[in-house]
Amino acid sequence: KAGVTQTPRYLIKTRGQQVTLSCSPISGHRSVSWYQQTPGQGLQFLFEYFSETQRNKGNFPGRFSGRQFSNSRSEMNVSTLELGDSALYLCASTKAGGLPGELFFGEGSRLTVL
Amino acid sequence: AQRVTQPEKLLSVFKGAPVELKCNYSYSGSPELFWYVQYSRQRLQLLLRHISRESIKGFTADLNKGETSFHLKKPFAQEEDSAMYYCALKSSGGYNKLIFGAGTRLAVHP
Repeated sequence: KAGVTQTPRYLIKTRGQQVTLSCSPISGHRSVSWYQQTPGQGLQFLFEYFSETQRNKGNFPGRFSGRQFSNSRSEMNVSTLELGDSALYLCASTKAGGLPGELFFGEGSRLTVL
Repeated sequence: AQRVTQPEKLLSVFKGAPVELKCNYSYSGSPELFWYVQYSRQRLQLLLRHISRESIKGFTADLNKGETSFHLKKPFAQEEDSAMYYCALKSSGGYNKLIFGAGTRLAVHP
């Protein structure tokens, strides 16, 4: 089975721009979560989607948004980028009926904001 | 507040030595705790869950509610154990929201 796939793997943006990141979960997985990883704050939960509905949200400003499609693929968007948004963005999927807390992570999308 | 603390950024040991990676948590109620591991150039992956009371790759972790700890232990470290280890707590917010500690890098020297 293919793992969680995230695109793009690397990207560079400038302040004020917006960015969209994509995540394809493992086949059959219906839940997708997003995490931000930075050296200062570590891994922080952004949001989780299940069956195209956001069912959990972390403590991030409204500039961070996401959605999930009917095929379980998910996207997250960050608008009006700030320097502090530079981070590794990790996507994780979970299978329905799977072990609680067992997240399958992608390799991440590394965003640099200049 | 729900929080996970890993006090050590780096733990350096020699092959064959015992290893203990510390994790303390703050949580009201019955916590669900996990250890995740990231080997060099690999993805973050689940190592073990407290509820399973299992031993994975020789690692065990016992939940101590009195000390609010969930330390990861291995009696004899191997070089292939070198990795970044994260302790995680399932948030009371439910579903798959995990609160991660800052992580501890384990370096096992020959």
